Amino acid sequence: EVQLVQSGAEIKKSGESLKISCKGSGYSFTNNWIGWVRQMPGKGLEWMGIIYPRDSDTRYSPSFQGQVTISADKSISTAYLQWSSLKASDTAMYYCARHSESTVIPDYWGQGTLVTVSS
Amino acid sequence: QSVLSQPPSASGTPGQRVTISCSGSSSNIGSNYVYWYQQLPGTAPNLLIYRNNQRPSGVPDRFSGSKSGTSASLAISGLRSEDEANYYCAAWDDSLSGVVFGGGTKLTVL
Repeated sequence: EVQLVQSGAEIKKSGESLKISCKGSGYSFTNNWIGWVRQMPGKGLEWMGIIYPRDSDTRYSPSFQGQVTISADKSISTAYLQWSSLKASDTAMYYCARHSESTVIPDYWGQGTLVTVSS
Repeated sequence: QSVLSQPPSASGTPGQRVTISCSGSSSNIGSNYVYWYQQLPGTAPNLLIYRNNQRPSGVPDRFSGSKSGTSASLAISGLRSEDEANYYCAAWDDSLSGVVFGGGTKLTVL
């Protein structure tokens, strides 16, 4: 059974750094792209970007390029989403999602990590 | 403004059939597969339809998907109260080289 387990909720201040994680199991971690989707309070889904753990090839949505860093450690089947300087507008739920091998669209989702940034 | 367009809301009574539309362009729906997700209140999205019209195991056959040109639709027949949720369409966009989502449709079961 494919499972994606994300790290717990975070409460941070503006300007602080943060790295959240997503551990995959039940499939070969290096065979699928894995990525992140943002959902701001009361809003829809926004695709942020993906990484291919086998070679760390990374793609970003233009909206998030330069704002976050996506990485992965294939030795422990874990993907990461990182901010160097958080803003209040980064307050949102963040979902990791395995992407289908053939179509590169999300097929399995993590439970979400709520990030709250206070100014 | 989402790349894929969905109606913000839809509604129906128990037992009815409802459809939710998703409109795109030649760079996304017109040339790639459409996926649909159901997001129940307070939970993560869940895959409902993949490759335009395929259901993952465990998804009832009351849910069906179709695609024509640059538009797609999700149909729910025999509507039930537990179908009350937000529904999102998604596709790969060749111009943006990334996944694009619809803005979501909130389905209310009256």
